[in-house]
Amino acid sequence: SQQGEEDPQALSIQEGENATMNCSYKTSINNLQWYRQNSGRGLVHLILIRSNEREKHSGRLRVTLDTSKKSSSLLITASRAADTASYFCATVAIFIGNEKLTFGTGTRLTIIP
Amino acid sequence: DAMVIQNPRYQVTQFGKPVTLSCSQTLNHNVMYWYQQKSSQAPKLLFHYYDKDFNNEADTPDNFQSRRPNTSFCFLDIRSPGLGDAAMYLCATTGQGSIMGKNIQYFGAGTRLSVL
Repeated sequence: SQQGEEDPQALSIQEGENATMNCSYKTSINNLQWYRQNSGRGLVHLILIRSNEREKHSGRLRVTLDTSKKSSSLLITASRAADTASYFCATVAIFIGNEKLTFGTGTRLTIIP
Repeated sequence: DAMVIQNPRYQVTQFGKPVTLSCSQTLNHNVMYWYQQKSSQAPKLLFHYYDKDFNNEADTPDNFQSRRPNTSFCFLDIRSPGLGDAAMYLCATTGQGSIMGKNIQYFGAGTRLSVL
């Protein structure tokens, strides 16, 4: 399986704290994306980082990418109760015309009010 | 405004009784995907359409079929549902982003299938 791994599997923090999730993958990539999934709902795209980028920011989100280690991290700063969800990393392999995402195993984040 | 719409949100079927799940999109995207997601697991790609070209994943059981009559609609047919097919089924779309290396996917809210 080409599926990536995420850790931790579950994370509980107090509201206002920062949450960090990590993702490792196996193949060379074109880009890596992070998605959020609220319970019982579809996935929502959060942020995309290309293979030639090392860090990207979007609001309270900060993503890093280390292609030499085949790993990425997602940092959510100043967490809110509404951030409670599952977070998945997903990679796009490097060959042209590939339309598929390979998802990681996910991190279930709980923000305690 | 919903851009990828899945109907129904909840579907109950009987063991062995064929069931069809539907997905429609208003994004005019050329690629549509069907995923199966079981509890606390990552979405698992079943197949996808690139325009009218059907792409089946190697480990997708023959019990799962799909139809895409036009750009906007895509259907998932489960010919003889088993208890192990109870899951959330997610539809997603993407545009010509693959050429630009983006591949951002837009997901519907999912259909939760129960098999009795």
